[in-house]
Amino acid sequence: TQLLEQSPQFLSIQEGENLTVYCNSSSVFSSLQWYRQEPGEGPVLLVTVVTGGEVKKLKRLTFQFGDARKDSSLHITAAQPGDTGLYLCAGDVNAGGTSYGKLTFGQGTILTVHP
Amino acid sequence: DSGVTQTPKHLITATGQRVTLRCSPRSGDLSVYWYQQSLDQGLQFLIQYYNGEERAKGNILERFSAQQFPDLHSELNLSSLELGDSALYFCASSVGLAASYEQYFGPGTRLTVT
Repeated sequence: TQLLEQSPQFLSIQEGENLTVYCNSSSVFSSLQWYRQEPGEGPVLLVTVVTGGEVKKLKRLTFQFGDARKDSSLHITAAQPGDTGLYLCAGDVNAGGTSYGKLTFGQGTILTVHP
Repeated sequence: DSGVTQTPKHLITATGQRVTLRCSPRSGDLSVYWYQQSLDQGLQFLIQYYNGEERAKGNILERFSAQQFPDLHSELNLSSLELGDSALYFCASSVGLAASYEQYFGPGTRLTVT
């Protein structure tokens, strides 16, 4: 059972377009993270959101955590070829109130931005 | 460069064999995590060690084991290998115990079981 559902799985767009990636779950997360991974490398953390309704901006990237802390979105404005990569959301379920390091990852969204 | 090192980068071995993957965390990080990434399962958490002790366990097979040594480096041992164990194995480290601490991922070890 996949706790985190990401959509879409694949996204192919032209440079300059906007896009949104969604991460949904039936579970409540104490925190949610977004990573970007390039071929042959490990994931790199983009942002961590912890408060329901929180919005964080990182240049052209906007991250939102749902009010109920069950979902999140990543919006990219004016995408560039350098944004190409695998985007992963990851949640900390914090089961039993013990916040250890176990992260549950979504399946990922493969983004391709064409020049 | 995340500061996390993993060796070897590539590993090709036969079914039934045993391999050891090694990870050195970033300087100062006490937590080490192991993940498996495959096309069908995505990135799956295997296990976490903090300052030498196992602290969280994911869907790690009984054929797999890990440990963290006093110098904080970690090893992941995979035995009785099967074709389905072929995957990318990532190590990550963080300064603290909780998942909210930023995890820094190494470059991974690509394991191919033939």
